Formats: sequence, C-alpha cells, structure tokens
Amino acid sequence: DSGVTQTPKHLITATGQRVTLRCSPRSGDLSVYWYQQSLDQGLQFLIQYYNGEERAKGNILERFSAQQFPDLHSELNLSSLELGDSALYFCASSVSLPQGASGNTIYFGEGSWLTVV
Amino acid sequence: AQKITQTQPGMFVQEKEAVTLDCTYDTSDQSYGLFWYKQPSSGEMIFLIYQGSYDEQNATEGRYSLNFQKARKSANLVISASQLGDSAMYFCAIVSTGANNLFFGTGTRLTVIP
Repeated sequence: DSGVTQTPKHLITATGQRVTLRCSPRSGDLSVYWYQQSLDQGLQFLIQYYNGEERAKGNILERFSAQQFPDLHSELNLSSLELGDSALYFCASSVSLPQGASGNTIYFGEGSWLTVV
Repeated sequence: AQKITQTQPGMFVQEKEAVTLDCTYDTSDQSYGLFWYKQPSSGEMIFLIYQGSYDEQNATEGRYSLNFQKARKSANLVISASQLGDSAMYFCAIVSTGANNLFFGTGTRLTVIP
C-alpha cells in the first residue's frame, strides 16, 4: 500500500458525460501528479500541483481540468468524454518537488479505470 | 528534453534465476533521478528503487539492484532469485531538474517461468 488513495477504482460512463476522479496523497506529501495510461499512448503525464498551485502541465486536453484543494487532496475532472479517453488514470504524490537528484520518491495510487462506452 | 528507452518489450526468466532489465536515458541535466516501477496485471504502479545522478553506489532494495553506468547513461534493473510474483510490467522513469514530473519508458513485460 503506497498510501496514495484514488477513488473510484472503476467506472463506466457514456460518451459526452463528465466524471471526477479523486486522489488523497500520502500523509505529508505536498506534490500531486496525474498520469494517464492507455494501450496506444503509454504513460502520459497530465498535470502536477504543489501545495495547491499548478506547477507543471503535460499533455492534458482542454476537456480535462484538475485542482488541488487546501487539504491537499486533488480532483481530475474529465468532461465531454470520448471513447479514446478510456484509460487507467493514476494519481501520484511526493513530499516535495522532484528537483532532479533530490531523492524525492514519487508514489502512485492504484489507479482509476475509466471505460467510456 | 528527457527520454527513456527500454528496448526489451518482453523477457522470460526461470524461477530462482537472476534477470536484468535494460534502461537507457537521455538528459542534458547533471542532476536527475532514475526510478523503476513494477506494474502487475492488477494495474497498480509499485515503486521499486531509486538512483540519483550523484549517487556513487548502486542502489539496492532487497532483491532489486540498479546497475548504474553514468557514462553510458544506463540504469539497468537487476532482479535476483526471481519469483513467480515478479511477473509484471516494469517501467524505468527519469526526473530531471525543473521537469517536475516523471518521464517513463515503454516498459518491459517480465514473465517468470516455473
């Protein structure tokens, strides 16, 4: 158990719908990351927050948004869902910013399996 | 820019034998961290081992060790005494200064044969 909690574990939804994925980081971790893993794209970095502020943005679609709340939990909102959004979505956390060889280990949650039908 | 290359899409190893999973990386930064993660068929991503670019000793964590060759830009994972439970996807990843996130390779699927 990494200590990173993601809910829901599985969800099935229809095209055009909106879903929210929730993440609670490990106790004491200020940095939260979101990744998408699909069969054709591999592991793609979406977005990163540190202590409530967005710090890095990857290949996140405009239909997707995220935020980190004062209690440090984070939510990833996916809207106008398409079949191609079906994927495993990971949340990860670390104590601080990665900063190269800082030794900040990044721990992942178990993921949220999203199926769009 | 950062890049991780894992050239072995699949590997087989006999139970109780050792296996090496290859990882080469590319970064222009002097300060970086290298990670290995295991992803079983159930999907979770499990942290295995970390090596910092300034670490002079190879990292070890139980049966996992990292063969770090900085000049060659390689960070191969060595699993000793393989167990059936080691069957999984293994990902190498890098974080460089200022990148604020992990860049992953495409992974290697390891199958342990009884």
